[in-house]
Amino acid sequence: EDKVVQSPLSLVVHEGDTVTLNCSYEVTNFRSLLWYKQEKKAPTFLFMLTSSGIEKKSGRLSSILDKKELFSILNITATQTGDSAIYLCAVGGKSGGGADGLTFGKGTHLIIQP
Amino acid sequence: DTEVTQTPKHLVMGMTNKKSLKCEQHMGHRAMYWYKQKAKKPPELMFVYSYEKLSINESVPSRFSPECPNSSLLNLHLHALQPEDSALYLCASSPSPAPRGYYEQYFGPGTRLTVT
Repeated sequence: EDKVVQSPLSLVVHEGDTVTLNCSYEVTNFRSLLWYKQEKKAPTFLFMLTSSGIEKKSGRLSSILDKKELFSILNITATQTGDSAIYLCAVGGKSGGGADGLTFGKGTHLIIQP
Repeated sequence: DTEVTQTPKHLVMGMTNKKSLKCEQHMGHRAMYWYKQKAKKPPELMFVYSYEKLSINESVPSRFSPECPNSSLLNLHLHALQPEDSALYLCASSPSPAPRGYYEQYFGPGTRLTVT
């Protein structure tokens, strides 16, 4: 059974801090790893990673994948209160007709205090 | 435009009712998905459609019946549900599968279902 483990499950930091969120996985047929941000609504897409060692960046957020060690990290620098959310890591490995069903981790609940 | 729409936003139904959830996208995506999310839990995959054909059913009980009448529309028909089926039902879509097969999924806002 595919498994995605995120740590920490919750994190409280002050505005301006840098945070690192972790995601490890065990998947029979790994195809991609995705990061999503979820507030009180549907998950919004952040990054998709398919190759090891290539960093993806978007503003203050960045992510990298290590396919040998089976993990990914999501970094957020200079955090703001608007970054408070649940960050979900998901792995695509259940391929049906080329479309990948995602297996999600439990998420990291990040709280940024002013 | 990366919008996936879902209706209704909220639904309350009794255990003997029949209802349907609707999901629509106009991005030309040919893969569509249903996920179920219980409170304080991550989304769980239910069904995957690829080119309007059901390609993955994650052993979902038959009281949930998906339908993909065309490439833009995905329905989830509900019948004889149980209170434990109360959850947020999320629809997602992604661009045509292949050749790389690596495409991000865009989620709709969800339908919050309460079964009484």
